[in-house]
Amino acid sequence: KNEVEQSPQNLTAQEGEFITINCSYSVGISALHWLQQHPGGGIVSLFMLSSGKKKHGRLIATINIQEKHSSLHITASHPRDSAVYICAPQAAAGNKLTFGGGTRVLVKP
Amino acid sequence: DTAVSQTPKYLVTQMGNDKSIKCEQNLGHDTMYWYKQDSKKFLKIMFSYNNKELIINETVPNRFSPKSPDKAHLNLHINSLELGDSAVYFCASSQISDFSAWTDTQYFGPGTRLTVL
Repeated sequence: KNEVEQSPQNLTAQEGEFITINCSYSVGISALHWLQQHPGGGIVSLFMLSSGKKKHGRLIATINIQEKHSSLHITASHPRDSAVYICAPQAAAGNKLTFGGGTRVLVKP
Repeated sequence: DTAVSQTPKYLVTQMGNDKSIKCEQNLGHDTMYWYKQDSKKFLKIMFSYNNKELIINETVPNRFSPKSPDKAHLNLHINSLELGDSAVYFCASSQISDFSAWTDTQYFGPGTRLTVL
């Protein structure tokens, strides 16, 4: 069993729809990162959070430490949101980052 | 203004060759990283340097040797390249004040696609 599980693996949405990506992990963490990888390959760090919720523009990230679960929400999705979204929990012991396999999001106009 | 830059962007080479990938950050960050993204798109940390000192060294073959001449640069040298080294290599940086790695947002370079023939 992978230490980090993301769901869904692939997601297709119509422009304007609300999108949710889920991330479950098995180790105790000190923080969790969400990354976005563009179709061209570039990677952008979206959020680092250790509790509660963070919001940046149309993106919202939440985390439940007790349930070992985090979600990334995209409101009013747009075709430019099409990318791979990667969850990366940071272990409390040693601070090692482990990366999920990513969720490929396609937003159609 | 590019925050984290890598050169080259593409690198095609023969098995057995030695090659280097360069990384520079102009953010004034203390920590830099090298990641490898395999064909299945999984990212794995390879190395982390803080102020030119190695702080993280995952299970990476000795053929891979990072070099940090100053805290703004972290280069990756690979000896005796093998087919399995083909991947995209990402450099990243973050500003941290101690050796608790990855406690801050990381800024990634554009990646270097290495193809070993």
